[in-house]
Amino acid sequence: EAGVTQSPTHLIKTRGQQATLRCSPISGHTSVYWYQQALGLGLQFLLWYDEGEERNRGNFPPRFSGRQFPNYSSELNVNALELEDSALYLCASSFLGVTYEQYFGPGTRLTVT
Amino acid sequence: AQSVTQLGSHVSVSEGALVLLRCNYSSSVPPYLFWYVQYPNQGLQLLLKYTSAATLVKGINGFEAEFKKSETSFHLTKPSAHMSDAAEYFCAVSETIQGAQKLVFGQGTRLTINP
Repeated sequence: EAGVTQSPTHLIKTRGQQATLRCSPISGHTSVYWYQQALGLGLQFLLWYDEGEERNRGNFPPRFSGRQFPNYSSELNVNALELEDSALYLCASSFLGVTYEQYFGPGTRLTVT
Repeated sequence: AQSVTQLGSHVSVSEGALVLLRCNYSSSVPPYLFWYVQYPNQGLQLLLKYTSAATLVKGINGFEAEFKKSETSFHLTKPSAHMSDAAEYFCAVSETIQGAQKLVFGQGTRLTINP
């Protein structure tokens, strides 16, 4: 069974540009979560999508947004990039069941210069 | 809101020695608890989970964790460390507020194995 996939692996942008990150969940999973892992800040919850709807968002500004497509894949968009947006962005998926366990992809390393 | 505290940002043990990574949580309701491992330049891999069944949970790669409600702890152990265990380990608790789910992570513990 294929795991969670993310693309691209690395992304280099300049300040002020927009970044788009993509995630494909495990087959059968309807929930997609995005986390930011910035140096020194640990893993911070960004967004949760389920069945195409945004269900919850973390304490991030509106320039962090995303969507979930009918096939449950997801896209994270970061507008007006700032240097501090440089981080590893991790996507996770889960089946909205009892255990709430999430399975993570390898991440996209975003570097803002 | 729930929180997770991992005691010790860095732990170093010798190969073959006991590994003990500490995790304490705060939760007003019975929690779901998880340990994840992150190898360099990779995503997170689920090691084990506690979902209110047996308090001693066995995971992959010889790791296990014990849920102790009285101590609000979920420490991770492995009897004999291997060089391949060198990684960063994250303890997490699931939080559900008004139907919205997310994982709350501890700050992580970097495990170094000395030959």
